[in-house]
Amino acid sequence: GENVEQHPSTLSVQEGDSAVIKCTYSDSASNYFPWYKQELGKGPQLIIDIRSNVGEKKDQRIAVTLNKTAKHFSLHITETQPEDSAVYFCAASKGGGADGLTFGKGTHLIIQP
Amino acid sequence: NAGVTQTPKFRVLKTGQSMTLLCAQDMNHEYMYWYRQDPGMGLRLIHYSVGEGTTAKGEVPDGYNVSRLKKQNFLLGLESAAPSQTSVYFCASSYYNRATGELFFGEGSRLTVL
Repeated sequence: GENVEQHPSTLSVQEGDSAVIKCTYSDSASNYFPWYKQELGKGPQLIIDIRSNVGEKKDQRIAVTLNKTAKHFSLHITETQPEDSAVYFCAASKGGGADGLTFGKGTHLIIQP
Repeated sequence: NAGVTQTPKFRVLKTGQSMTLLCAQDMNHEYMYWYRQDPGMGLRLIHYSVGEGTTAKGEVPDGYNVSRLKKQNFLLGLESAAPSQTSVYFCASSYYNRATGELFFGEGSRLTVL
């Protein structure tokens, strides 16, 4: 089955700096890569996703890049703010949909004031 | 619009007791899921349902049962709770649209088994 590795497990950055979280996947048939943000005491929420026919996608301060050859994808957050502090999960799926989604173990992002 | 609602939010059980977690969604989604979240383990799929009356096993189904008698509800049961089932449980739902993929999560149910 699919295996998703996520690094780092904890990331601390100064407010205003950029943060990068990286994930690798094992199944070359995977074609859908979402990122979820989980705030303390809440359920995860989709913040951005990318499909295998696209190399990069941006939404305001967040962006995701995909390298299919190397089987890795990354989340980039620029101009970090206190509200970006959360746990971020990457995931991969080859179904083009929500079933069969495999999550990484998560990254705890801490924004230092 | 409530989205995905889980009850109860907290529960403490003794080993061997049984309980049921209820998930309700008001978005008319076809797919529903139960995940468990443990420190350092991420989100692991327990069971899922692709429609009313259907259920399927996920990655870690042992010790759990589920039922989807109504489209809007997905129940997760523990027949004989064990300390290893201490976890935070999340229900999620999604549209039957393989091009969309977004999961909508509830706020979680924290279960402690003593």
